[in-house]
Amino acid sequence: KNEVEQSPQNLTAQEGEFITINCSYSVGISALHWLQQHPGGGIVSLFMLSSGKKKHGRLIATINIQEKHSSLHITASHPRDSAVYICAVLVQGAQKLVFGQGTRLTINP
Amino acid sequence: GAVVSQHPSWVICKSGTSVKIECRSLDFQATTMFWYRQFPKQSLMLMATSNEGSKATYEQGVEKDKFLINHASLTLSTLTVTSAHPEDSSFYICSARDPGGPFYNEQFFGPGTRLTVL
Repeated sequence: KNEVEQSPQNLTAQEGEFITINCSYSVGISALHWLQQHPGGGIVSLFMLSSGKKKHGRLIATINIQEKHSSLHITASHPRDSAVYICAVLVQGAQKLVFGQGTRLTINP
Repeated sequence: GAVVSQHPSWVICKSGTSVKIECRSLDFQATTMFWYRQFPKQSLMLMATSNEGSKATYEQGVEKDKFLINHASLTLSTLTVTSAHPEDSSFYICSARDPGGPFYNEQFFGPGTRLTVL
């Protein structure tokens, strides 16, 4: 079993829909990252969380440390949100990130 | 957030040649840099962690003599793929972290370098 599991692996939705991507992890962490990777390959860091909730524009990220679970929400989704979204955790006491397998999101107009 | 650049963004080379990829932190000092490889439709795979001024720590299964990493300054790390072969064709991504800075736990990713070995 992977230390970081994302669901769903693939998600297709219509423009305007509310999107939720989930991430569960099984290790103690210092922080959790949500990353976005577009087809061109470049990775953008959307959020880094260690507790609570963060919001940036239409994106909201939450984390529940006790339940070892995080969610990424996209409100009023748009075709330009189509990308792979990756959850990655910084394991306590370590320098390196452990990555989920990614969620491929497609928003149709 | 901070900016990390990579150069080149893509490279095509002949089998047997060596290729150098640069990773630079543009507006912060990166005491730690990470090199990842990503195959199509797969997640990032950590190759090595480099700390400025010391030898890189390679992940299991990554040949240190094939993937030479140099982190000679606080803003530059290089990855050299020596004697490249077609199976080395991949997308190489670096990230940088400054544990002593204001973005303590955050990693900033470069845009990636697509290597194609013919």
